Amino acid sequence: GAVVSQHPSRVICKSGTSVKIECRSLDFQATTMFWYRQFPKQSLMLMATSNEGSKATYEQGVEKDKFLINHASLTLSTLTVTSAHPEDSSFYICSAPGSTDTQYFGPGTRLTVL
Amino acid sequence: QRVTQPEKLLSVFKGAPVELKCNYSYSGSPELFWYVQYSRQRLQLLLRHISRESIKGFTADLNKGETSFHLKKPFAQEEDSAMYYCALSGTGGYNKLIFGAGTRLAVHP
Repeated sequence: GAVVSQHPSRVICKSGTSVKIECRSLDFQATTMFWYRQFPKQSLMLMATSNEGSKATYEQGVEKDKFLINHASLTLSTLTVTSAHPEDSSFYICSAPGSTDTQYFGPGTRLTVL
Repeated sequence: QRVTQPEKLLSVFKGAPVELKCNYSYSGSPELFWYVQYSRQRLQLLLRHISRESIKGFTADLNKGETSFHLKKPFAQEEDSAMYYCALSGTGGYNKLIFGAGTRLAVHP
């Protein structure tokens, strides 16, 4: 089946620094990928839709200048959390649609901002 | 667009019937899904309404009149213990998913 990977799985950074999270579709191509955020014991909240070769589409309330998304190839989307603050600490999950129109999810990246 | 899962936790004994509730609001014809997340694993698709299939003994029927998509299993197993999320997307494929808050199912021996 289709596999989506994320790197890193866990990252700890200091407040004010930037962190990049990678999302890769390992055995299929994805012109679209989705980025979600999940707070502890809460549901997934869609942040943005990453589009290969064009600008990402952000959901209402998500700061595009803070959460930079780059979808440079058909198998890679990156999410950069700029000038991270403790309130950005969360679990970030990406997904990509496979050939059967099913969303495949990455394992997630836990970000902790000190 | 909204997905509502009213129960945060559903606790049952092995062999008991299970029903995880899901209601939605959407102006159009959405696709409905159930995703499951087992402990320390990634989110994975359990079933979708257009498939009309039973996966791991679970079924879900889309009731457009009641705007519901409840997940059911006649006899729960301990391995069913997990977090279950109901989700919807617009028709046409490759659309973003809107998730409910999730229901934790705990099946006790």
